[in-house]
Amino acid sequence: NAGVTQTPKFQVLKTGQSMTLQCAQDMNHEYMSWYRQDPGMGLRLIHYSVGAGITDQGEVPNGYNVSRSTTEDFPLRLLSAAPSQTSVYFCASSYLTSGTYNEQFFGPGTRLTVL
Amino acid sequence: AQSVSQHNHHVILSEAASLELGCNYSYGGTVNLFWYVQYPGQHLQLLLKYFSGDPLVKGIKGFEAEFIKSKFSFNLRKPSVQWSDTAEYFCAVNAQTGNTGKLIFGQGTTLQVKP
Repeated sequence: NAGVTQTPKFQVLKTGQSMTLQCAQDMNHEYMSWYRQDPGMGLRLIHYSVGAGITDQGEVPNGYNVSRSTTEDFPLRLLSAAPSQTSVYFCASSYLTSGTYNEQFFGPGTRLTVL
Repeated sequence: AQSVSQHNHHVILSEAASLELGCNYSYGGTVNLFWYVQYPGQHLQLLLKYFSGDPLVKGIKGFEAEFIKSKFSFNLRKPSVQWSDTAEYFCAVNAQTGNTGKLIFGQGTTLQVKP
């Protein structure tokens, strides 16, 4: 199993550009999520999905869109990049056990810089 | 709303010293509790988790944590740290009731172990 994979590893954008961060998992997990990690702020949830066709907002959803057309993939779209979106982005997945979500498995991250 | 607080932002220890990292959460219902570790340049990995049962849980690499329900705490401990434990440590919580899988993270604690 590759686990959770993310591409690209690094990206530099100019203000106003759009891009998609890719995330895929091969563990057949129902749950997938996107976080951003900023110094001193821990990880903050951007969007999450509990299954194909179902997405919902987390703590900091503004400026980001997601979709979940398959169980495996959960791309994150930046509509019009801003310097405030400079961060490290992590994708994670999880699964249900006895009706509760188990631990989340994290991808290697994408380091995004917006100039 | 749920929140997680980690008391120590930066801890410096010598090898063989004992470690205790504090974590308190705010939530009125039943929770699942996690400690994650992020080694320099790597993604988050699960150290240990608590769902129910014995409040003293053991994780990987000699770490353990104790859930004290009355104090809303889940402190991480290790009797003797090694240089290789240098990393950032995150406490995280999700609610069991109406579990959406959403993890709320603390701000993180950076541990530096001096050889």
